[in-house]
Amino acid sequence: GESVGLHLPTLSVQEGDNSIINCAYSNSASDYFIWYKQESGKGPQFIIDIRSNMDKRQGQRVTVLLNKTVKHLSLQIAATQPGDSAVYFCAENGENSGYALNFGKGTSLLVTP
Amino acid sequence: DAGVIQSPRHEVTEMGQEVTLRCKPISGHDYLFWYRQTMMRGLELLIYFNNNVPIDDSGMPEDRFSAKMPNASFSTLKIQPSEPRDSAVYFCASSLGWGNTEAFFGQGTRLTVV
Repeated sequence: GESVGLHLPTLSVQEGDNSIINCAYSNSASDYFIWYKQESGKGPQFIIDIRSNMDKRQGQRVTVLLNKTVKHLSLQIAATQPGDSAVYFCAENGENSGYALNFGKGTSLLVTP
Repeated sequence: DAGVIQSPRHEVTEMGQEVTLRCKPISGHDYLFWYRQTMMRGLELLIYFNNNVPIDDSGMPEDRFSAKMPNASFSTLKIQPSEPRDSAVYFCASSLGWGNTEAFFGQGTRLTVV
């Protein structure tokens, strides 16, 4: 069935380096792709979204890239900080799902000093 | 606003008992979602409401699960009878308006059924 998945379950980066978290999706009818961050013991928190008719969107220290040809989504975090350590989820929604968020499995990002 | 408020934060119950999880969404949000999170299955959407009306409950795993939203400021998720495989973290989230990508999640309820 339609799903959102991730390439890697864990990623370890050094403080100050850039991080890239990848996600594959299968639902071509999605309207939006979204990244959420979940810190230990907390609920997921919205980071950034991108509409399906765009290929790049930048936020504060984060950039999301969308490649619809290969159905791939990535989140780039510049100058990764210890506070960025968390689990990152990609998600999608669209009119066909009533705009309910459909989440992938998550990637754990560990920032080492 | 205090955000989405869930209670209890932790619940330990015996198999066969009834469990009720509670959620207070952010005031003014039209949509309320219940998710379940496990290591094996990740974040699963169980049910969501729009203006207190259940829209899609296809994610509810069994008839043992039921959810209600009697008013705009309160929702419950009930499991009766509970089973060990129901052990998970249950999240409630709310969002504002159709097509909104930013859902605000509560802290979750960690349910353990022994």
